[in-house]
Amino acid sequence: GAVVSQHPSRVICKSGTSVKIECRSLDFQATTMFWYRQFPKQSLMLMATSNEGSKATYEQGVEKDKFLINHASLTLSTLTVTSAHPEDSSFYICSARSRESFLNTEAFFGQGTRLTVV
Amino acid sequence: GDSVTQMEGPVTLSEEAFLTINCTYTATGYPSLFWYVQYPGEGLQLLLKATKADDKGSNKGFEATYRKETTSFHLEKGSVQVSDSAVYFCALNYGGSQGNLIFGKGTKLSVKP
Repeated sequence: GAVVSQHPSRVICKSGTSVKIECRSLDFQATTMFWYRQFPKQSLMLMATSNEGSKATYEQGVEKDKFLINHASLTLSTLTVTSAHPEDSSFYICSARSRESFLNTEAFFGQGTRLTVV
Repeated sequence: GDSVTQMEGPVTLSEEAFLTINCTYTATGYPSLFWYVQYPGEGLQLLLKATKADDKGSNKGFEATYRKETTSFHLEKGSVQVSDSAVYFCALNYGGSQGNLIFGKGTKLSVKP
């Protein structure tokens, strides 16, 4: 199947700093990428949807100035957590859909990033 | 709105035991249903799916049947292995260009030798 690589897998940062998470589709062109966040013992919650070359669409309650998403190419999307605080500590995971998976409704996931803000 | 409810874990079984992880959904339309699996340190992987009522998805010995009358998509396996230890997520979506997935909370399965 298609491969999505997410980096880093773990990051610890100081409160007030910014952290960038990368999501790459390695063997297909990702026309749409999704960013999810998972709190302990909770569902994966969709944060935003990004289409290549256009602004991301954020879900209600997600601060777009806090969670900056860039989808500059068909193989790369980034999520930047700006001025991180301990409450931003969470598991972030991306997924990508290709033109082909459009019809199959399947999305391919990265391995996730565990962010800890101290 | 649409939602997915799956049984709380963790679930601990002995090797070769029978597995059932319950999943029910609430949907306004006719979604596709999925089971994803997340092995330790890895991303979610599609385990199986069903796109319409009465369809049965199957893969690696796991099965789930799309039951519209009970709005359920329970995951079953007749004989689990230690290598099946993972977190299992039930999900739904409607496809289309923005068909994002709605997930359950995940169920952690631990299989002991």
